[in-house]
Amino acid sequence: DIQMTQSPSSLSASVGDRVTITCRASQSISNYLNWYQQKPGKAPKLLIHAAPSLQSGVPSRFSGSGSGTDFTLTISSLQPEDFATYYCQQSYSTPWTFGQGTKVEIK
Amino acid sequence: QVQLVQSGSELMQPGASVKVSCKASGYTFTTYAMNWVRQAPGQGLEWMGWINTNTGNPTYAQDFTGRFVFSLDTSVSTAYLQISSLKAEDTAVYYCAREAVIAATRHNSYYYYMDVWGKGTTVTVSS
Repeated sequence: DIQMTQSPSSLSASVGDRVTITCRASQSISNYLNWYQQKPGKAPKLLIHAAPSLQSGVPSRFSGSGSGTDFTLTISSLQPEDFATYYCQQSYSTPWTFGQGTKVEIK
Repeated sequence: QVQLVQSGSELMQPGASVKVSCKASGYTFTTYAMNWVRQAPGQGLEWMGWINTNTGNPTYAQDFTGRFVFSLDTSVSTAYLQISSLKAEDTAVYYCAREAVIAATRHNSYYYYMDVWGKGTTVTVSS
């Protein structure tokens, strides 16, 4: 199975900050990488698929990059509604696997 | 609009069985596969497997073989997850998620992603 490792596990940031989350795969996955946002008590929401394609309706402050084993999710200017947990997920080969999540908290 | 509506929370005794439903609307049910994802309390997301809504053929992740069964009723556009011989460690939120597919630049390859999610069904196993 392909292991996905995110860093950091959590971070504190202020509204307006630029935030970057990293995801590393245990083997090359080309760009078969998706990002999801999850708020407490809610279902995950797709942000980016086949990095770096932005899902329809997702604000342009979210962007994804990377290829191979190293990927990043960037929020260019953090908004109050962006405080949540973010997960990467590989779709290169089954079983699909998720990173452990990165919790973005208010500083 | 496209949505997946899941059945309500369940409180179950150890050893019992539970069946969670996921009703799709707003799109042709058999056009998209359905994934199931588990989230234990305070934990991350864990992919359980998927079911081909055209053929009914399920695929299970290794940790979800034996007691977990995916099924369909295409006449009512509904996918089901049944868990038997429930244990305390099955306590979790279970999500269904539609699987979108687009062609990749790599020959005969496709990108898969979970684009629509149900709200989740909480299954609590306790005596």
